[in-house]
Amino acid sequence: QVNLVESGGGLVKPGGSLRLSCVGSGFTFNNYYMTWIRQAPGKGLEWIAYISATSGTIYYADSVKGRFIVSRDSSENSLFLQMNSMRAEDTAVYFCAGGSGSYPINYWGQGTLVTVSS
Amino acid sequence: DIQMTQSPSTLSASVGDRVTITCRASHTISTWLAWYQQKPGKAPNLLISKASTLQSGVPSRFSGSGSGTEFTLTISSLQPDDFATYYCQQYISYSPLTFGQGTKVEVK
Repeated sequence: QVNLVESGGGLVKPGGSLRLSCVGSGFTFNNYYMTWIRQAPGKGLEWIAYISATSGTIYYADSVKGRFIVSRDSSENSLFLQMNSMRAEDTAVYFCAGGSGSYPINYWGQGTLVTVSS
Repeated sequence: DIQMTQSPSTLSASVGDRVTITCRASHTISTWLAWYQQKPGKAPNLLISKASTLQSGVPSRFSGSGSGTEFTLTISSLQPDDFATYYCQQYISYSPLTFGQGTKVEVK
């Protein structure tokens, strides 16, 4: 059974930092590109970061570029998102999600809530 | 960047209705188009890839069509479990990877 489990969400003050983690199981994590996608309360889905299976290619949305860093540890089947200089508009549920090759995202975690507020 | 525009934003329908959702891409994406269903408090679930390929376990009442810049998701006979929000997503480019704004299918 495929599982992606996020952790690390919570309340953080504006300007603060938070690190999200996501652990995968039940599939060959090392063969999958991974992404972080967030959803602000009552809003749609916003992709924010992509990392290829080998970590050789990384992309960020303009909204987080220069503030967030995505990484992965394939030995631990883990994906990370280091979030710095956080803003109120970063408040959202953050999903880790992945796909393989030219296939669209087909594995999703349950999401972790991040709230940026003073 | 490739913009994805869905219509309508909200759709009111009854059980048994035929429902169609449209998704338009700002640039041609061939058939690199996926459809997702999301229920409140849950992660999205992949329904269709490559514009028209139904995923395993997805009921056959769901179908997708289109290529280039115009795509549709059709539910042939709406069931109670289908009331949800639907998103299209282009995946010809992962920088950025873009979603439509969503279509909420609600009870009429």
